[in-house]
Amino acid sequence: EAQVTQNPRYLITVTGKKLTVTCSQNMNHEYMSWYRQDPGLGLRQIYYSMNVEVTDKGDVPEGYKVSRKEKRNFPLILESPSPNQTSLYFCASSPTVIGHSPLHFGNGTRLTVT
Amino acid sequence: DQQVKQNSPSLSVQEGRISILNCDYTNSMFDYFLWYKKYPAEGPTFLISISSIKDKNEDGRFTVFLNKSAKHLSLHIVPSQPGDSAVYFCAAKSFQKLVFGTGTRLLVSP
Repeated sequence: EAQVTQNPRYLITVTGKKLTVTCSQNMNHEYMSWYRQDPGLGLRQIYYSMNVEVTDKGDVPEGYKVSRKEKRNFPLILESPSPNQTSLYFCASSPTVIGHSPLHFGNGTRLTVT
Repeated sequence: DQQVKQNSPSLSVQEGRISILNCDYTNSMFDYFLWYKKYPAEGPTFLISISSIKDKNEDGRFTVFLNKSAKHLSLHIVPSQPGDSAVYFCAAKSFQKLVFGTGTRLLVSP
C-alpha cells in the first residue's frame, strides 16, 4: 500500500531533550516536506526537500533540522525542543512539486514539550 | 502575513443541502489551487484542484470555482453528506511553495 509513515504518533518530552520524528514513504517520491498544524494558523511548512541531499527552509524552520540521505526517508530533528514546538506535525511527499502533483500526507505526530 | 485565508472557521449544513467553503488569497503569482480534507487523527487527503487558467473544475459532488480578479476560491459540495464532516484546507501553489489556509470545519447533520 502506497503510504507515508510517521513515527511516533504521540510524543511527550521535556524541554531540551533532543528528539527525532521519522518519516518514510514507499512511493519513490522526489519531494518531501514537513508541516506543523496549530489552531488558527493552519498548516505551515517547516522544511522541504526536492531530492536526496537537497533540503531547504520553509516558513517556520527555527528550532528544527532535517536530513535527506535516502530518497524514502526524511526525519525531523528537534535538537533542543521548547514548549512553543508543541504541535501536530505532518510529513508529506509528492512525485514532484513542479506541476500539479498533490501531496500525500502521513497521519501526523502529536508532540507535547513540557 | 497570511497569503491564503479561510475566514470561516466553521460551517454547519444539513444533509442534502449545498456546502460552500470559501478561500481568499493575496499572491497573484499562485498558479494552482488545491483543496484537502482532513478527518480527526488522520493526515489531510487531496480532494480537488484547479489551475489558474480555468475558472471551474468538477469532480462528482465537488466543484471548485476560481475568481482570479477577486482572488477568491470556493468549494461547493452538492449534495452534502454526513461523511463530508471534516476540516477543509485550501492551498495555493507558486513555484515550489504550497501555502495552506487556516481551515474550515464542516459539520453536516442528518
